[in-house]
Amino acid sequence: GAVVSQHPSRVICKSGTSVKIECRSLDFQATTMFWYRQFPKKSLMLMATSNEGSKATYEQGVEKDKFLINHASLTLSTLTVTSAHPEDSSFYICSAKSGQETQYFGPGTRLLVL
Amino acid sequence: QKEVEQDPGPLSVPEGAIVSLNCTYSNSAFQYFMWYRQYSRKGPELLMYTYSSGNKEDGRFTAQVDKSSKYISLFIRDSQPSDSATYLCAMKGAQKLVFGQGTRLTINP
Repeated sequence: GAVVSQHPSRVICKSGTSVKIECRSLDFQATTMFWYRQFPKKSLMLMATSNEGSKATYEQGVEKDKFLINHASLTLSTLTVTSAHPEDSSFYICSAKSGQETQYFGPGTRLLVL
Repeated sequence: QKEVEQDPGPLSVPEGAIVSLNCTYSNSAFQYFMWYRQYSRKGPELLMYTYSSGNKEDGRFTAQVDKSSKYISLFIRDSQPSDSATYLCAMKGAQKLVFGQGTRLTINP
């Protein structure tokens, strides 16, 4: 199956700082990438959908100025959590797909804001 | 009413048992149905992907879709301790993927 990587796998930061998470499709070109957030023992919550070269579409209730998404190429999308606060601590997972194919997920990034 | 309902469990069965995991849904526009397996602190891994009603088998896994009842199932035969994980059903129509809550499964040796 297709491989999606995320970096870093885990990050700890101080409150007020910004954190960037990278999502890469390693063996295919991803026309669309998705960013999810997952709380402990809960399902995945879609945050935003991004298509290469265009602005991301954010789900209702997700602050686009806080969660900046860039999808600059067909293999890379980044999520930047700006001015992070402890309530932003979570497991962030990206996924990618090519055309109408199904989504393939990355391994996730665990963010802890102190 | 949630679009996708899935019993969160936890479900605990002995090794070798047949496991049945289920989801119901309300949106008749859903056409694609998936099962993902997620190990603790890892991203979801695609297990099965089906489009039409009926059964699809892959090794020890069988996915079943009944569109008339809006009900999907995943069966695991000869369950192994390594199958212990959270299983998420997911489905989509023309738009975004919608996930069930996930069922936490433990296979006891």
